[in-house]
Amino acid sequence: AQKVTQAQTEISVVEKEDVTLDCVYETRDTTYYLFWYKQPPSGELVFLIRRNSFDEQNEISGRYSWNFQKSTSSFNFTITASQVVDSAVYFCALSPYTGANSKLTFGKGITLSVRP
Amino acid sequence: KAGVTQTPRYLIKTRGQQVTLSCSPISGHRSVSWYQQTPGQGLQFLFEYFSETQRNKGNFPGRFSGRQFSNSRSEMNVSTLELGDSALYLCASSAGQGADQPQHFGDGTRLSIL
Repeated sequence: AQKVTQAQTEISVVEKEDVTLDCVYETRDTTYYLFWYKQPPSGELVFLIRRNSFDEQNEISGRYSWNFQKSTSSFNFTITASQVVDSAVYFCALSPYTGANSKLTFGKGITLSVRP
Repeated sequence: KAGVTQTPRYLIKTRGQQVTLSCSPISGHRSVSWYQQTPGQGLQFLFEYFSETQRNKGNFPGRFSGRQFSNSRSEMNVSTLELGDSALYLCASSAGQGADQPQHFGDGTRLSIL
């Protein structure tokens, strides 16, 4: 069975602060994909990043960076110099890597509020 | 390129009724998945369709069903609605099967059961 834990439920920061969103996962698969999605108040889930399990290189995209550590089963997401527009619910998700199964298992989500 | 389109955006029904939700995937995408989002259970996988065939199913009762048409558009149906079915129903499409093709989500249909 697959499981994603996002222990933080709500985080509030002041604009320009850095913030890290934690994600810990459990899976018996040796290969898998990890994802982060953003859900603004409109409801649509916006795809942010996908990482496969055999690529542990950290990734940076503008103000966003992701730290994948297979040894601790974690895939953390950092927003540098946060902005009000970053306010949303952020979901970490896990899916099998092989075969036709693309079912996503989501964490409960972290509500991020960025205050001006 | 148009995104995933879900209709209607909002729906109000009463217990015992049935409802049909519609999802038009991104042009060229052949895989459609459905998810239910509630405050208590979070985001849960309902089912996935590819080439008009159900490929994967989550742990939901038989009252929840779906189908996919030859143009890849998909519908999900919930019969004998219960209060607990109140949720945001999200549809996602991807170019192919397997998670190597990222899923792109629509805005969802918010279903309220009175």
